[in-house]
Amino acid sequence: DAKTTQPTSMDCAEGRAANLPCNHSTISGNEYVYWYRQIHSQGPQYIIHGLKNNETNEMASLIITEDRKSSTLILPHATLRDTAVYYCIVRVGGGNQGGKLIFGQGTELSVKP
Amino acid sequence: GAVVSQHPSWVICKSGTSVKIECRSLDFQATTMFWYRQFPKQSLMLMATSNEGSKATYEQGVEKDKFLINHASLTLSTLTVTSAHPEDSSFYICSSPSGRVTDTQYFGPGTRLTVL
Repeated sequence: DAKTTQPTSMDCAEGRAANLPCNHSTISGNEYVYWYRQIHSQGPQYIIHGLKNNETNEMASLIITEDRKSSTLILPHATLRDTAVYYCIVRVGGGNQGGKLIFGQGTELSVKP
Repeated sequence: GAVVSQHPSWVICKSGTSVKIECRSLDFQATTMFWYRQFPKQSLMLMATSNEGSKATYEQGVEKDKFLINHASLTLSTLTVTSAHPEDSSFYICSSPSGRVTDTQYFGPGTRLTVL
């Protein structure tokens, strides 16, 4: 699986948009970009994933560059409950079973009042 | 959404004893489950892939005789830490693809193991 690079930590003001970048310059054509987050002492939570088109759901938006070498997760109106470690993962996808996920170090997002 | 549960949520045991952690899929059948370990301030490390009705596949460096995995039914996978030692103290998390929502995985809440 391709590796990803994320900033170690970021701060965001409550109510503002949080933009979390991820570099995946060695991504292959059949690899998807996945985002998960982990709130302290809990299991990770799925946020969103995409292949090449931008995606949006009730939690976040995912913007993938045209060359697919980087992406940005956007939390449009961050709340204190969004404080967590956010993981960007790339792997082959597209099926219903889902393969194993290899986690990097992630970005620790702190949302401040 | 799909729910994965783990039991116990936390356990404290003496060095040398064995501890069993259960991972259950509550509203879907899980032919595959993954087991992760997470040390404080670190990321999740994949330990093994548990397949219903067959032997688990372990990641490089994970001792299969120490971390016994059994996946005897479509809703239950167990991880047994045998002869636990203080260095095995960690947060153990399981996950499973639900099969209903394309290509997502659902994680259990984790089990905190402390070996004295």
